[in-house]
Amino acid sequence: GNSVTQMEGPVTLSEEAFLTINCTYTATGYPSLFWYVQYPGEGLQLLLKATKADDKGSNKGFEATYRKETTSFHLEKGSVQVSDSAVYFCALTLNQAGTALIFGKGTTLSVSS
Amino acid sequence: GAVVSQHPSRVICKSGTSVKIECRSLDFQATTMFWYRQFPKKSLMLMATSNEGSKATYEQGVEKDKFLINHASLTLSTLTVTSAHPEDSSFYICSAKDLSETQYFGPGTRLLVL
Repeated sequence: GNSVTQMEGPVTLSEEAFLTINCTYTATGYPSLFWYVQYPGEGLQLLLKATKADDKGSNKGFEATYRKETTSFHLEKGSVQVSDSAVYFCALTLNQAGTALIFGKGTTLSVSS
Repeated sequence: GAVVSQHPSRVICKSGTSVKIECRSLDFQATTMFWYRQFPKKSLMLMATSNEGSKATYEQGVEKDKFLINHASLTLSTLTVTSAHPEDSSFYICSAKDLSETQYFGPGTRLLVL
C-alpha cells in the first residue's frame, strides 16, 4: 500500500539550530511528495513539494530532496526561528487525477529563543 | 495563491442534531474536494472524496449515511454530520484540487457535540 512515515516528535530546538525532520514513504508507483505546515490554530499550508526523483523543493529556508533510491523526503532548515514552531506533515499523492494526499502523522516542532 | 474557505470555523451543537459545514474554493474551480478529520495530536484521516456532480467516494469505515457530502458546484462542497454524537467532536478540514492537481486546504472547522 501507500504510506508515509515521519519521525516521532516533538522536536525541541533553540533558535538558529539546524533542523532535520525525517520522512520516508512507500508507494505503488511514482508519487509527488509534499511538506505541509500547520501553525497553532490554523489550517494546513503547503510548504514545498517535489514531483520527481532528485527534485528539490524549497521555501522560506526549508528544503527537501526527493530521493527515490532511499524513498525519502527529509525536511531541513539551516537556522530555525521561533516562528517556525508548528506541526509539519509529510505527504504523498499518486499522480492520478482526483487522488487524495496521504499524510504522515505529523511532527511537532518547538523552537525556543 | 489559491484560497479555500470553510464555514463555520467553530460550532457547538447538542447531541442528536445535524451540522452542515461548507467548503468553498474562492478563486479557482475544483472538480475534486476532499474531507479530512483530524484528531488531537493525530494526522489527518481522509474521510471522503467529493466529486462535482457525482456521488462522493467514502473511505473504509466512514459511514456515508452519517457524513453526507454534497458537491453541487465547482466551488462548493458541503459536509453534513447527521445526528451528531460526542464522539463526532473533532476538527474537520476540507481541501480542493486545482487544475495542476495541487491541494489547498481550508482553515478547518472545530465541531463540539455536547
